[in-house]
Amino acid sequence: AQSVTQPDIHITVSEGASLELRCNYSYGATPYLFWYVQSPGQGLQLLLKYFSGDTLVQGIKGFEAEFKRSQSSFNLRKPSVHWSDAAEYFCAVLTSNTGNQFYFGTGTSLTVIP
Amino acid sequence: GAVVSQHPSRVICKSGTSVKIECRSLDFQATTMFWYRQFPKQSLMLMATSNEGSKATYEQGVEKDKFLINHASLTLSTLTVTSAHPEDSSFYICSAHTGSSSYEQYFGPGTRLTVT
Repeated sequence: AQSVTQPDIHITVSEGASLELRCNYSYGATPYLFWYVQSPGQGLQLLLKYFSGDTLVQGIKGFEAEFKRSQSSFNLRKPSVHWSDAAEYFCAVLTSNTGNQFYFGTGTSLTVIP
Repeated sequence: GAVVSQHPSRVICKSGTSVKIECRSLDFQATTMFWYRQFPKQSLMLMATSNEGSKATYEQGVEKDKFLINHASLTLSTLTVTSAHPEDSSFYICSAHTGSSSYEQYFGPGTRLTVT
């Protein structure tokens, strides 16, 4: 069965520091991979996605993610975190053979300290 | 870009009553819509998948008689929580898929349901 793992439940970083949020997936073929951000009480905003091609994808708000097939990972990175980046981050996998159903990770809560 | 709206954004209802949540795709036609439930500090749990003009497909453990889903048009899906109880209080999020090869889904802003 497909699954998405975000090992870090909560991360705290200082403003201006670099950030990496981990995501691992379990799926037989190359899935479609997404990162979403959710502010408190809000819906999900797409940060970036990977379908194929270049394994390093750029997203909005200065985020990027790298697909590593050998590690079944799709980690999200940002070189310099801003206080407004504090939110909940979800990694998601889309499997086309199950009716385009998303599988979400459990999320990583990011706190940014001044 | 594709926009999905939900109405209402917040609703409080009394135990035993029913409440309807609407999900609309504003600038595209959604062949498939999805309903998710999110508990505090937790991830999104897929409740059901609805295709326009057909019955919704519910995930295991989701009561179809309690969570009625109707996808009457290509731009509107509704979720009705029937005979609501306090344990139904949650954040409900819908998403819509255009049916294109991009496989991307567009998420609504969510509806906070509180059952008293």
